[in-house]
Amino acid sequence: AQKVTQAQTEISVVEKEDVTLDCVYETRDTTYYLFWYKQPPSGELVFLIRRNSFDEQNEISGRYSWNFQKSTSSFNFTITASQVVDSAVYFCALSGANSKLTFGKGITLSVRP
Amino acid sequence: DTGVSQDPRHKITKRGQNVTFRCDPISEHNRLYWYRQTLGQGPEFLTYFQNEAQLEKSRLLSDRFSAERPKGSFSTLEIQRTEQGDSAMYLCASSLVSLTYGYTFGSGTRLTVV
Repeated sequence: AQKVTQAQTEISVVEKEDVTLDCVYETRDTTYYLFWYKQPPSGELVFLIRRNSFDEQNEISGRYSWNFQKSTSSFNFTITASQVVDSAVYFCALSGANSKLTFGKGITLSVRP
Repeated sequence: DTGVSQDPRHKITKRGQNVTFRCDPISEHNRLYWYRQTLGQGPEFLTYFQNEAQLEKSRLLSDRFSAERPKGSFSTLEIQRTEQGDSAMYLCASSLVSLTYGYTFGSGTRLTVV
């Protein structure tokens, strides 16, 4: 069975602080994909990144960066110099051989001005 | 193609009534998924289709729930004899089999059962 754990439930930071959102996953599949989605108050799930299990390179996209470590089954997400517009719920998700996406419970990020 | 469309956006119904939601996926996507999200939780998988074939149903899906994708294009999710516990956001997503571009989610249908 697949499982995604987002141990942090709520994080509050002041604008311009860096913040890291943690994600730990469990799967028996050798090929799998990891995702991060953002869900703003409007409710729509916004795709941020996809990583496959064979690509452990870290990725940076503007203020966002992701650290994938298979040895610890973690796929952490860092926002550098956070902004108020980053306030949202962030979900980590895992997709394995059956193509079914399993989500964590989400982390509510509040960025205060 | 403007993405995954869901209709209606909001639905309020009385307990015991039947409701039906529609999802139009991205036209090139052969996989279509239904998820349910309750307040404070991540989306939970309900079922998915590859073309018109329903490949998997979650054990969460009671007999009151049924989904179809008759021609491998749009899909409908019907809930019969709604209960207050069915109140949730129902999300539809679509993808290619290869997951080349990941999953694209619609804006969801928010169901309130009163």
